[in-house]
Amino acid sequence: DSGVTQTPKHLITATGQRVTLRCSPRSGDLSVYWYQQSLDQGLQFLIQYYNGEERAKGNILERFSAQQFPDLHSELNLSSLELGDSALYFCASSVTGSSTDTQYFGPGTRLTVL
Amino acid sequence: ILNVEQSPQSLHVQEGDSTNFTCSFPSSNFYALHWYRWETAKSPEALFVMTLNGDEKKKGRISATLNTKEGYSYLYIKGSQPEDSATYLCAFPGTYKYIFGTGTRLKVLA
Repeated sequence: DSGVTQTPKHLITATGQRVTLRCSPRSGDLSVYWYQQSLDQGLQFLIQYYNGEERAKGNILERFSAQQFPDLHSELNLSSLELGDSALYFCASSVTGSSTDTQYFGPGTRLTVL
Repeated sequence: ILNVEQSPQSLHVQEGDSTNFTCSFPSSNFYALHWYRWETAKSPEALFVMTLNGDEKKKGRISATLNTKEGYSYLYIKGSQPEDSATYLCAFPGTYKYIFGTGTRLKVLA
């Protein structure tokens, strides 16, 4: 158990809908990262937050947005969902968010868009 | 475009064999190189964070080396065991984003 929690574990929804994935970092970690793993694709970096502020952005679609709250939990919002958004979404956390920090991954949320 | 490549893509070895795989990354703007172990139905687990050229890190039977000048890192597993079966990923924190390789899928046969 890494100490990072993600909810829900599974989510099934329809195209066009909007969902919110939630992540709570390890105690003491200030930085949160979001990743997507689609079928036949490797792990794709979406976005990173540090202490409530966006720090780095990967190939995150405009239909996706995220934020980190004052209590340091983070939410990833996915809207106008398409079939291709079906994927495993991981959250990770680290202490300072620097590139040399070890990242600890949560168990993931599996999103299925029908 | 930053590219992180891992080879081989997959590997089958017998229990007790030693094995190694490669991660190649851009040699410019180097900050760090991360290695992860990812078992099926679980989440990636950090193995090493390599930061200095010539770095060598060890965790039990697993070790890693780093060459930042030529842009590669090797991961070695000595005396492979069935429980080592997993996908081994490397990740390169480029400027403003993290790039993962596609992984080496290791299967250790008993």
